Amino acid sequence: NAGVTQTPKFQVLKTGQSMTLQCAQDMNHNSMYWYRQDPGMGLRLIYYSASEGTTDKGEVPNGYNVSRLNKREFSLRLESAAPSQTSVYFCASRTGASGEKLFFGSGTQLSVL
Amino acid sequence: SQQGEEDPQALSIQEGENATMNCSYKTSINNLQWYRQNSGRGLVHLILIRSNEREKHSGRLRVTLDTSKKSSSLLITASRAADTASYFCATDDRGSTLGRLYFGRGTQLTVWP
Repeated sequence: NAGVTQTPKFQVLKTGQSMTLQCAQDMNHNSMYWYRQDPGMGLRLIYYSASEGTTDKGEVPNGYNVSRLNKREFSLRLESAAPSQTSVYFCASRTGASGEKLFFGSGTQLSVL
Repeated sequence: SQQGEEDPQALSIQEGENATMNCSYKTSINNLQWYRQNSGRGLVHLILIRSNEREKHSGRLRVTLDTSKKSSSLLITASRAADTASYFCATDDRGSTLGRLYFGRGTQLTVWP
């Protein structure tokens, strides 16, 4: 049972480079989320997709774009990476109803030099 | 800004002792969840308590919710070294219809053998 799969697990970028973080879930979940985790800051919501075809901003969307490619996949794109985007990124999903638990991927460690 | 705030930021205890972590939040909620994160891993759901519940148990976990004080506590009884992890509370805003889930900064629990 794969659950939520994130790729890559590690990435090093130079300032100004772009990249896309991939996320896929095989649980037929409607809602998908991207969080970033920084030391002492906990998890902060970047973007989320309540259902296929919709996306909305979270707490810290600046510098990011997302695409809900289909029900399974939700990608996060950094168009021009900045050192402030050095973080651990987590993708998560759930059925979509309030009160349902989130299932998390194992994370992507991103360093921007 | 983040909805939940855990207290304390760090907690260090001996095996067999009880560990209590607190979470305060800002707005009315539908439910509150607790998650655990082992070092270098994604978050794993522990327990959910709904806004009309005051206490809930699951194994060695006991969660309380006081909506008048906008606070929750997580008690881990008879702690084990394997309980060493970070613990986060997360809330579903009552005013949100889109399923946003906000996390606090977390409590780092260390259980010494």
